[in-house]
Amino acid sequence: QKEVEQDPGPLSVPEGAIVSLNCTYSNSAFQYFMWYRQYSRKGPELLMYTYSSGNKEDGRFTAQVDKSSKYISLFIRDSQPSDSATYLCAMSPDLYGGFQKLVFGTGTRLLVSP
Amino acid sequence: DSGVTQTPKHLITATGQRVTLRCSPRSGDLSVYWYQQSLDQGLQFLIQYYNGEERAKGNILERFSAQQFPDLHSELNLSSLELGDSALYFCASSPKGVMSYEQYFGPGTRLTVT
Repeated sequence: QKEVEQDPGPLSVPEGAIVSLNCTYSNSAFQYFMWYRQYSRKGPELLMYTYSSGNKEDGRFTAQVDKSSKYISLFIRDSQPSDSATYLCAMSPDLYGGFQKLVFGTGTRLLVSP
Repeated sequence: DSGVTQTPKHLITATGQRVTLRCSPRSGDLSVYWYQQSLDQGLQFLIQYYNGEERAKGNILERFSAQQFPDLHSELNLSSLELGDSALYFCASSPKGVMSYEQYFGPGTRLTVT
């Protein structure tokens, strides 16, 4: 079983829809949670970062962490065709008070049609 | 553009051969991370260097090695190549501390082993 599970998709939505992307994980030591966006033929770029539980909002993007369920989500409001990309969740344990290596999900491919 | 450069963009080689991938981090970034991305395994952390010293190892095979030079560029050496080594190899750099969630990825090198 992988430490981080993510539905590969593709997830197809019309422009303007609210998108929900999710990851589950098994390692209860994970404390840092991130979402990266990867366009085709490009490297991943950091979208959002959350430490421990709770919500974080940045423009059209909202990240949620539910540590009791070992479940994290990324919501995209008013989705645009330019949001079409692969979204990778990533997480890291907080061992000895510091950040450790990132463990990535395999990514969910999102397609937003005009 | 993240500011991280990687060369070459594409590499095609035969089994048993050795290749070197090169990465130049963003100006001022001391940490360099190497990742391997394949369709079935997703993005896997390989190794991290900080200011010339190895700081963390992930799922890196013994056939693979890396180093970071005084000018902070890094090279990933892959030897005795196998078909299964075909993947995208990403380099990332970060501005903060020894390990950081804030990683900036390069465009990647696509390695094809035939």
